Amino acid sequence: AQSVTQPDIHITVSEGASLELRCNYSYGATPYLFWYVQSPGQGLQLLLKYFSGDTLVQGIKGFEAEFKRSQSSFNLRKPSVHWSDAAEYFCAVGLYSSASKIIFGSGTRLSIRP
Amino acid sequence: DTEVTQTPKHLVMGMTNKKSLKCEQHMGHRAMYWYKQKAKKPPELMFVYSYEKLSINESVPSRFSPECPNSSLLNLHLHALQPEDSALYLCASSQGQGVTYEQYFGPGTRLTVT
Repeated sequence: AQSVTQPDIHITVSEGASLELRCNYSYGATPYLFWYVQSPGQGLQLLLKYFSGDTLVQGIKGFEAEFKRSQSSFNLRKPSVHWSDAAEYFCAVGLYSSASKIIFGSGTRLSIRP
Repeated sequence: DTEVTQTPKHLVMGMTNKKSLKCEQHMGHRAMYWYKQKAKKPPELMFVYSYEKLSINESVPSRFSPECPNSSLLNLHLHALQPEDSALYLCASSQGQGVTYEQYFGPGTRLTVT
């Protein structure tokens, strides 16, 4: 069955430090890949997406992600985190373009150490 | 305007009550979604409407009844809910149905069933 795995439940990084959040998917073909962020008490906001082409994608708020087919991974990175980045981050996959269903990973909670 | 609004923000209801959640968007989007999100879990898709017609029902119990009166408005009617239905209910909209269209999420309604 198709699945999305975020191995890290909770990560704490110092403000100004770099960040990498891991995401692995299980699917035969290349899926449509997304990263969403959810601040406390808020809805989700799309950070970036990968459909095809350049495997390094840039998103909003200074985030980027790299698709690695050989590792079935789509890790999210940011060179220098800010206290406002503290939130829940969800990796998600869409299996084909006409599907409406996005399958979300279990999420990684990011805390920022002052 | 890229806003999806949801009312009420919070709702407490008894198991015999009937209540409704409301979602509104004025972006001209033709697809609208209801998600359920339990604490510390990812969102789970419940319903999708496309061009005001129900397109997807993810085997949701009949005590949840969606309605799309027009292209800007989406309701979720609740009746005879159970305590385990307590969750954050998120509405989203997108230009069209399909994962290639970005979904814009509202802030959610936090529902408590007593």
